[in-house]
Amino acid sequence: AQSVTQPDIHITVSEGASLELRCNYSYGATPYLFWYVQSPGQGLQLLLKYFSGDTLVQGIKGFEAEFKRSQSSFNLRKPSVHWSDAAEYFCAFLAPSGGYNKLIFGAGTRLAVHP
Amino acid sequence: DSGVTQTPKHLITATGQRVTLRCSPRSGDLSVYWYQQSLDQGLQFLIQYYNGEERAKGNILERFSAQQFPDLHSELNLSSLELGDSALYFCASSALASYNEQFFGPGTRLTVL
Repeated sequence: AQSVTQPDIHITVSEGASLELRCNYSYGATPYLFWYVQSPGQGLQLLLKYFSGDTLVQGIKGFEAEFKRSQSSFNLRKPSVHWSDAAEYFCAFLAPSGGYNKLIFGAGTRLAVHP
Repeated sequence: DSGVTQTPKHLITATGQRVTLRCSPRSGDLSVYWYQQSLDQGLQFLIQYYNGEERAKGNILERFSAQQFPDLHSELNLSSLELGDSALYFCASSALASYNEQFFGPGTRLTVL
């Protein structure tokens, strides 16, 4: 079955600390991968995406993610977290088959940042 | 600001009623998607339209329907509403029908009392 797993429902870090949010996917081939962020009361904003090529991708707001095919993972990282990063983060993938564009989302990881 | 607009922002209605949610895609985008975000189901794909035609269906109930108009805006119609339909409904758009990143609107929060 096609699915995305985000093992951590809640994560709390101190401001200035590093961050890694985990994401694993289940799919028979290499999917297109995304990380979205949702601030309270807001829509989803695209942080970064992986379609092909370099497995380390840079995104907005200082985020990066690394695609590891052997581990079916696409973990999100940030070297130094800011208080404004507190939000919910969703990993998603696009199964590029059937000619359509359905995004499959993980359950999300809620990030809290302590001052 | 993604360029995708949704109206209304909030909607409160009663069980059994019908509502219409509206979405305007980013300028130039031909594809529109609807997603439902609820506490128990998470973010789920409902339906996709491309240039006026239905392209893909997900976990959309028979009580729900959608359409995309010639000017490319889309409407999601929810009828015979139940308490469990209370959720955040997102619209997203992309330039192409497939293999494309999607840009999300701010959502419509539906509360069914």
